[in-house]
Amino acid sequence: AQTVTQSQPEMSVQEAETVTLSCTYDTSESDYYLFWYKQPPSRQMILVIRQEAYKQQNATENRFSVNFQKAAKSFSLKISDSQLGDAAMYFCAPYGGSQGNLIFGKGTKLSVKP
Amino acid sequence: DGGITQSPKYLFRKEGQNVTLSCEQNLNHDAMYWYRQDPGQGLRLIYYSQIVNDFQKGDIAEGYSVSREKKESFPLTVTSAQKNPTAFYLCASSMGLADEQFFGPGTRLTVL
Repeated sequence: AQTVTQSQPEMSVQEAETVTLSCTYDTSESDYYLFWYKQPPSRQMILVIRQEAYKQQNATENRFSVNFQKAAKSFSLKISDSQLGDAAMYFCAPYGGSQGNLIFGKGTKLSVKP
Repeated sequence: DGGITQSPKYLFRKEGQNVTLSCEQNLNHDAMYWYRQDPGQGLRLIYYSQIVNDFQKGDIAEGYSVSREKKESFPLTVTSAQKNPTAFYLCASSMGLADEQFFGPGTRLTVL
């Protein structure tokens, strides 16, 4: 079975600081997308950022960026200038290929301290 | 506004009863999904549908059933065979299986 591992169940960051959430995955696909989703206390799932696996350039979306290491199958999310509103569960989700859909990790709960 | 709606937001049922959760989208997406979320478990896929009148089992399909008679609608029935149905249920849709998924607000099901 294809798997996604988010090794940090919980993390904490000081407001205005930078934090990196890790994600590793196991998929046989060579051309695919990878996603990070955010789930705040409202429980609404929100797309944070998308990476296209065939692109060497790491994706950036305002304060959010990824470090995509294709050979290592690593897809970490960096949040710069952390804000109180960033507090949420964050899920890594690469496309599973043969499983026909996105595969979600178990999530990392991020707390932001004022 | 385009989006995904789920109803109801909270649902209570007595043990042994079937219950149907609604999911509707007006994004013209071909693919639709149902996930179950339990504390500490992330999202687990129940069923997904790539096109109308076709659907596939996910990782935890036992005790659930779906239909896809219209492109816009993908209702989920939680049957009495589901041993532990109390959970938060999320519906999502996407253009294709590898594309970004858009999520509904979820339904919290509690079995009394």
